[in-house]
Amino acid sequence: DTAVSQTPKYLVTQMGNDKSIKCEQNLGHDTMYWYKQDSKKFLKIMFSYNNKELIINETVPNRFSPKSPDKAHLNLHINSLELGDSAVYFCASSLSVDNTGELFFGEGSRLTVL
Amino acid sequence: AQSVTQPDIHITVSEGASLELRCNYSYGATPYLFWYVQSPGQGLQLLLKYFSGDTLVQGIKGFEAEFKRSQSSFNLRKPSVHWSDAAEYFCAVASWYSGGGADGLTFGKGTHLIIQP
Repeated sequence: DTAVSQTPKYLVTQMGNDKSIKCEQNLGHDTMYWYKQDSKKFLKIMFSYNNKELIINETVPNRFSPKSPDKAHLNLHINSLELGDSAVYFCASSLSVDNTGELFFGEGSRLTVL
Repeated sequence: AQSVTQPDIHITVSEGASLELRCNYSYGATPYLFWYVQSPGQGLQLLLKYFSGDTLVQGIKGFEAEFKRSQSSFNLRKPSVHWSDAAEYFCAVASWYSGGGADGLTFGKGTHLIIQP
């Protein structure tokens, strides 16, 4: 069983569209994250979500919104897509209570905006 | 705020040679440090981690790293690289929000490892 799974793996869409990426973890972790990896491979945290507390990186445009129906899922919804949103988006999870900070990553979702 | 610096963007090593990837961190408290590897088109896999105790930590695939507080470094090493080690390597430091839960990792910009035959 895949620990952290994301769908879709590839997503190609037009500017201005709205799209979602889904993430599920079966590790029983308390915290989930979304990271963006740009074309230079730089990984930047977008959101962390723990016990219904959302921590937002202030540099993330409000067109991006995480949605968590339950502890095992954290979906990423993007409105009005722009060319600069093209990137690989990684979902991750961690077991907060052990305070080790170790993250388990999904395989990524490559978003291409045309 | 915490930060991680990986000074080498690219490193080229001959197969069978030794490897050292550099990582420097900035963090006010005792850091929790990680090395992740990303193979082309893949997600990130944890190689090893340091929380406390022995400053030399062993990881998977024959990698090790040494924590040096005086130098704020956590360099990754491998005595003999294999062609399959070609990948992107990321050093990271953990942080926590005020409630005590994990607040994610801050990553360095990565080092691209190229293996020459």
